[in-house]
Amino acid sequence: QSVLTQPPSVSAAPGQKVTISCSGSSSNIGNNYVSWYQQLPGTAPKLLIYENNKRPSGIPDRFSGSKSGTSATLGITGLQTGDEADYYCGAWDNSLSAVLFGGGTKLTIL
Amino acid sequence: EVQLVESGGGLVKPGGSLRLSCAASGFTFSHSWMSWVRQPPGKGLEWVGRIKSKADGGTTEYAAPVKGRFTISRDDSKSTLYLQMNSLKTEDAGVYYCTTVGGGLMVFYWGQGTLVTVSS
Repeated sequence: QSVLTQPPSVSAAPGQKVTISCSGSSSNIGNNYVSWYQQLPGTAPKLLIYENNKRPSGIPDRFSGSKSGTSATLGITGLQTGDEADYYCGAWDNSLSAVLFGGGTKLTIL
Repeated sequence: EVQLVESGGGLVKPGGSLRLSCAASGFTFSHSWMSWVRQPPGKGLEWVGRIKSKADGGTTEYAAPVKGRFTISRDDSKSTLYLQMNSLKTEDAGVYYCTTVGGGLMVFYWGQGTLVTVSS
């Protein structure tokens, strides 16, 4: 069982917007940066968002991140069929001295 | 372009050992903190551990399930990261990813992964 909690699945139609939540505690999200990763079927994960809301070079601005207290949110606008993937949040945990990942959220494009 | 290429995966019996390697290029490996992340078949991501750069002490940290059995090391002269896995259990099976560590102590770049199967 993951310490960072994500919904198992979300879905939306092409062109629409979706948000994915990630809930933690003061020992992880509450006091550390959050990252988000996209894993397309059969491929390695890829960094989408780091330090709560920054996008690496090459990641379109359709992807955004935010954090409030002990929760974080990934937003994706203008959904495309190619966005269908598993999405994971992650953060360092001060109590465990370890990186924690959420259980992952499967995004389905209707 | 950052490239991380893992190798060394394969089939091993429970209780056995395996050493994974990760050849890095496209960035200054000796200055970089590195980590390993694994993914059991059909499941989510699990952090294995990390190693700091030698300039930052070269120390290691491990996830509880692997502490005392796994060892992360690095050879900066070869730009290569290693994961020595001993006393392997069936629950250690999965794809193992070599990664760089970036802002927020989090995983940044990922390799393509190498599959470890633990079965008798």
